[in-house]
Amino acid sequence: QVQLVQSGTEVKKPGASVKVSCKASGYTFTDYNIHWVRQAPGQGLEWMGWISPNSGATNYAQKSQGWVTMTRDTSISTVYMEVNSLNSDDTAVYYCARGVSSGYPDWGQGTLVTVSS
Amino acid sequence: QSALTQPASVSGSPGQSITISCTGSSSDVGGYNYVSWYQQHPGKAPKLMIYDVSNRPSGVSNRFSGSKSGNTASLTISGLQAEDDGDYYCTSKTSSASYVFGTGTKVTVL
Repeated sequence: QVQLVQSGTEVKKPGASVKVSCKASGYTFTDYNIHWVRQAPGQGLEWMGWISPNSGATNYAQKSQGWVTMTRDTSISTVYMEVNSLNSDDTAVYYCARGVSSGYPDWGQGTLVTVSS
Repeated sequence: QSALTQPASVSGSPGQSITISCTGSSSDVGGYNYVSWYQQHPGKAPKLMIYDVSNRPSGVSNRFSGSKSGNTASLTISGLQAEDDGDYYCTSKTSSASYVFGTGTKVTVL
């Protein structure tokens, strides 16, 4: 079965960076884009961008541009999202999700990133 | 890209039908048949309920249906059940090959 397993909880200070990983299994890694979505405490879902594991092409939300970097390592079926210059507004659960047509049928378990001094 | 507009809350009694709207523009909802809907329970990852406007993934109850008219997409839940309680989000592809989520709707089964 399809599985997306994310890295664990992170606590960072303001101004630091965080890199979250998402390891895929149960399907051909290069066949589907991986999207990243975040959810601040008590708030809604926010789309951050996608990466093509096949080509490495990316498409970032306007808000994410210049601040978020998505990469992949096909040898270990893993994608990464690095967020720079963290501030308290970036405290959120970050999810990766497999894109199939317009939907995301499979999601990672979520990674809580807390930004606090 | 602004979030798609959803009602903050919708409620209904068991057995009733409810509809959640998702309003965007011709650059997103109105321009593509790439609208999907998600159900989320507290502390859990979202679950895909509808994709490509009206398609149901395997395993999702046929009580859930989706449609679109112009710049507004809709999710209808018929025969409301207690387990349908939760938050619902729409999302749409946009003209820049990006995606945007809706503001979210809290569904309460009375």
